[in-house]
Amino acid sequence: AQTVTQSQPEMSVQEAETVTLSCTYDTSENNYYLFWYKQPPSRQMILVIRQEAYKQQNATENRFSVNFQKAAKSFSLKISDSQLGDTAMYFCAFSRDDKIIFGKGTRLHILP
Amino acid sequence: DGGITQSPKYLFRKEGQNVTLSCEQNLNHDAMYWYRQDPGQGLRLIYYSQIVNDFQKGDIAEGYSVSREKKESFPLTVTSAQKNPTAFYLCASSSFGLAGGELFFGEGSRLTVL
Repeated sequence: AQTVTQSQPEMSVQEAETVTLSCTYDTSENNYYLFWYKQPPSRQMILVIRQEAYKQQNATENRFSVNFQKAAKSFSLKISDSQLGDTAMYFCAFSRDDKIIFGKGTRLHILP
Repeated sequence: DGGITQSPKYLFRKEGQNVTLSCEQNLNHDAMYWYRQDPGQGLRLIYYSQIVNDFQKGDIAEGYSVSREKKESFPLTVTSAQKNPTAFYLCASSSFGLAGGELFFGEGSRLTVL
């Protein structure tokens, strides 16, 4: 069975700093998708970034980028030049066929 | 504006009562999902539906029921058989089904059992 582990329950960084959120997963599959979702205090969850496992190039969306290490089954999220609006819960997720599995989340605080 | 609407936002229920949470989407998505979110537990899948009149159990379906009579609507009933129903419930939809497709979420419904 697939599992997704986020080892950092909570993190705090100063505004404008760079922060990296960790995610590891366990699967025997070769083709799958990985996601990072953000849940701000207003509660509506939104997609931050998506990575297809068959693509070697790391996905990037503006200040957000991932470090995808397929062999190590690692999928970390880097937020550059962090902003107060980045304060949120961040969930890593694994998707294959008709299943998506979420990690338990990392609560990120951006401090002014 | 397209999106997912969940209602009510807050709901209180007495023990032994059934309650139905509404989820409506106008994104023309085929697939819809219900998740339960508890502190420190992440999101757990309750039920999902990929087409009208069809749905599948997720990981924690016991004590819940759903229907999918219309593409736009996927209501969730929390029955009295659910032993610990107090939680935050999230509805989501997707155009491609789960594999690879982005999930679009509603704002959630918080259910409290008194």
